[in-house]
This record gives sequence, C-alpha cells and structure tokens, in this order.
Amino acid sequence: NAGVTQTPKFRILKIGQSMTLQCTQDMNHNYMYWYRQDPGMGLKLIYYSVGAGITDKGEVPNGYNVSRSTTEDFPLRLELAAPSQTSVYFCASSFDVSNTEAFFGQGTRLTVV
Amino acid sequence: AQSVTQPDIHITVSEGASLELRCNYSYGATPYLFWYVQSPGQGLQLLLKYFSGDTLVQGIKGFEAEFKRSQSSFNLRKPSVHWSDAAEYFCAVAENSGNTPLVFGKGTRLSVIA
Repeated sequence: NAGVTQTPKFRILKIGQSMTLQCTQDMNHNYMYWYRQDPGMGLKLIYYSVGAGITDKGEVPNGYNVSRSTTEDFPLRLELAAPSQTSVYFCASSFDVSNTEAFFGQGTRLTVV
Repeated sequence: AQSVTQPDIHITVSEGASLELRCNYSYGATPYLFWYVQSPGQGLQLLLKYFSGDTLVQGIKGFEAEFKRSQSSFNLRKPSVHWSDAAEYFCAVAENSGNTPLVFGKGTRLSVIA
C-alpha cells in the first residue's frame, strides 16, 4: 500500500533555483494538501486542492505554486528559491476536507543555501 | 478562524508513568478535533479524532482524549507510557462545516526516560 508518496526525500537548492516537489496518492482522494513544517512552528498550510483542476491558497502560499491536473498528483513548485523556504514539506490527502483522516507522505527536507 | 494552542513545547516522562498532553482550541462552535503523532523522520499518523457524541475517544496505541467544551480543550492521555511513544504530538482542529483544512498546533515533543 503506497498511500502518499513524495519525492525527493532530500534536496539542497541554491538561492534563485527552481524545483518541483512531487506528490502522488493512490487512494483516490479528492482532497490534497501541502504543508511546511518548521521547528517549533507546527505545520502551516501552503496550498490545497479539493479536486482535479481546483486549487486554493493556504496560510503561507507566497513563493509557491501548485497544479492539480489529475486526482493522483499534486506537485508543488518553487520558482525562485529563498533561504526562508528551507523547511520540511509534507504532502497529505484525505477523502473529505476536514472530517476524515488525512494521510501524510514522509516529507521532503529542503535546504536553500 | 479556528486556532489551536499546545502550551507545552517539550515534556519528559518516565517509562511506565502516565501522560497528559494539553490542547486548547479557539472556535465558535464545536469543531472537529484530532491528535496526530510524528515519529522522527516520518510523516504524521492519526491517533484519534472527535466529531460528536461521547466526549472520551479512544485511539490507537492505547491513547485516549477527552473533549471538554467548557474548557475548549482536547487533552491527550495515556495511562502508561512506553519508550516507543517518544515522538512529536500535534493537535489539530477543523471547522464542523467541513469546508476548511486542518489547522495544527505547534506540537509537543515527548521524551521518555528509563
């Protein structure tokens, strides 16, 4: 059972570079989310999607972009990496938006230098 | 908008001792409430959730939590802690309208000593 799969697990970027964090789920969930986790700050929502073709901003969307062309995939794009984007990124999915279990990937640790 | 406060950043307990992790929320109505656990280097796993009904909910790994409306709290408890319970614990809340994603607290790191 794959669940939610994130790639890569680790990445080091130079300031100004771009990259895409990949996220795939095989549970046919409509809802998908990107969170970032910083020490002592909990998880903050970057973007979420309620279905293919629909995305919405979360609490901290600046510097990121997302797309949702299929139910399974929800990539997160960083266009111009900045040191403030050094973080651990988690993708998650759920059947419903708030009242069912959210399943999390194992995270991507990103360092911007 | 809803918010969650976990007052304790770090708690250390002895193996076999009881545990209580505190969570307070801010929301006008009764929210949906969750506790998640994160082991080192891992994603989050759901421990338990409360939507309505019985205010004492049972979860996995021997955890339970009690919803107290009068105190806006949803504290997590375990009667006897095992060394494998060392992890970070997150309380989360969502509006009961079902239209908004989870909002997480900042987490409580649990250390277990022999």
